[in-house]
Amino acid sequence: DIRMTQSPSTLSASAGDRVTITCRASQNVNNNLAWYQQKSGRAPRLLVHKASSLKPGVPSRFSGSGSGTEFTLTISSLQPDDFATYYCQQYNSFSATFGQGTKLEI
Amino acid sequence: EVRLVQSGAEVKKPGESLKISCEGSGYTFTNFWVAWVRQMPGKGLEWMGIVYPDDSDTRYSPSFQGQITISVDKSINTAYLEWSGLKASDTAIYYCARSDFWGSYRLGALDNWGQGTMVTVSS
Repeated sequence: DIRMTQSPSTLSASAGDRVTITCRASQNVNNNLAWYQQKSGRAPRLLVHKASSLKPGVPSRFSGSGSGTEFTLTISSLQPDDFATYYCQQYNSFSATFGQGTKLEI
Repeated sequence: EVRLVQSGAEVKKPGESLKISCEGSGYTFTNFWVAWVRQMPGKGLEWMGIVYPDDSDTRYSPSFQGQITISVDKSINTAYLEWSGLKASDTAIYYCARSDFWGSYRLGALDNWGQGTMVTVSS
């Protein structure tokens, strides 16, 4: 299986901050990389697919970049609604894998 | 509107069997992979496996191979996740989700998710 490693595991920030979460793959996943947001007690929500394509309806303060083995999710100006846990996922093979998650807290 | 609706919460004893379901609507169910994802209490997301409804092609994560059975009934737009002998360590929320790629030859991102099914295994 391809191992996905996110950093940091926890990120403390304030409303208005710009934050970046990194995701590294143990082998090349091309641009088959997605980012999800999960709030407590809720199902995950797709934010970004194909490494940098924003899902329609997702605020433009979210952006994704990268290819191959290194990827980032950036939130340009944190809003109170953004405090949640974020996961990356590679789907370059049928045995997809998730990162361990990054908890974004106030 | 694409919707995935999962069956309700379950409480089971160790050793019992269980089959939970995920019904899709609002799209051509047969042509998109359906994935199952586990989330243990307080933990992250784990990929369990996928099924392609049109031909029932099923792929399992090595971590779950032999532990679960994924199946589908395309006549009623429903995917299933099944255990034959539950353990306490199977206690988790289980999500189904749709892969956003039309067709079977590759995967897409998971663009629509069910609400989750909480499974509790306790003696």
